[in-house]
Amino acid sequence: EVQLVESGGGLVQPGGSLRLSCAASGFTFTNHWMTWVRQAPGKGLEWVANINGDGGDKKYADSVQGRFTVSRDNAKNSLSLQMNGLRAEDTAVFYCARTRYAAAFMDVWGKGTTVTVSS
Amino acid sequence: DIQMTQSPSTLSASVGDRVTITCRASQSISSWLAWYQQKPGKAPKVMIYKASSLESEVPSRFSGSGSGTEFTLTISSLQPDDFATYYCQQYVSYPLTFGGGTKVEIK
Repeated sequence: EVQLVESGGGLVQPGGSLRLSCAASGFTFTNHWMTWVRQAPGKGLEWVANINGDGGDKKYADSVQGRFTVSRDNAKNSLSLQMNGLRAEDTAVFYCARTRYAAAFMDVWGKGTTVTVSS
Repeated sequence: DIQMTQSPSTLSASVGDRVTITCRASQSISSWLAWYQQKPGKAPKVMIYKASSLESEVPSRFSGSGSGTEFTLTISSLQPDDFATYYCQQYVSYPLTFGGGTKVEIK
């Protein structure tokens, strides 16, 4: 079964850091770009970052560029998102998603992990 | 950045109704468009990709059409399981962008 499981969410103070992880299983991880998408409470979906199969190509939304870093460990079938300089507006559910081969839409999603930035 | 605009933002319909949701791109995206369904508290699920290709195991009552800047998602006969929020997403260029969503409610 193809599965993505996020972890690492929680409550953090403004300016703080958090590292999200996503464990992948049931598919050949290195064949796929991977994506982080977030959803603020009551709001729509916002793309955050993408990373290619070998980790050498990364894309970021302007809203997180310079603060967030996406990475992957292909030996562990794991995706990560290091978030620094967190702001209240980063409060959201963060989803890990698999990107369809040779396209940039998301065909498998995790259940999400909640990040709350508040003092 | 390519802006994606969905209409309507909310749609009230009854079981059995034909429902159409529109998504407009601020510039041409060819057919590089996906549609997602999201239910409360759940992750999104891809329904349509490349504007009109039905994702595996998605019921055939869902269909997508359009190219360039105007796209539609149609549900031919609304079922109780279809009440949800639908999002379009362009994937022709970065940043990847989503429409604001259309909530399909029970009338």
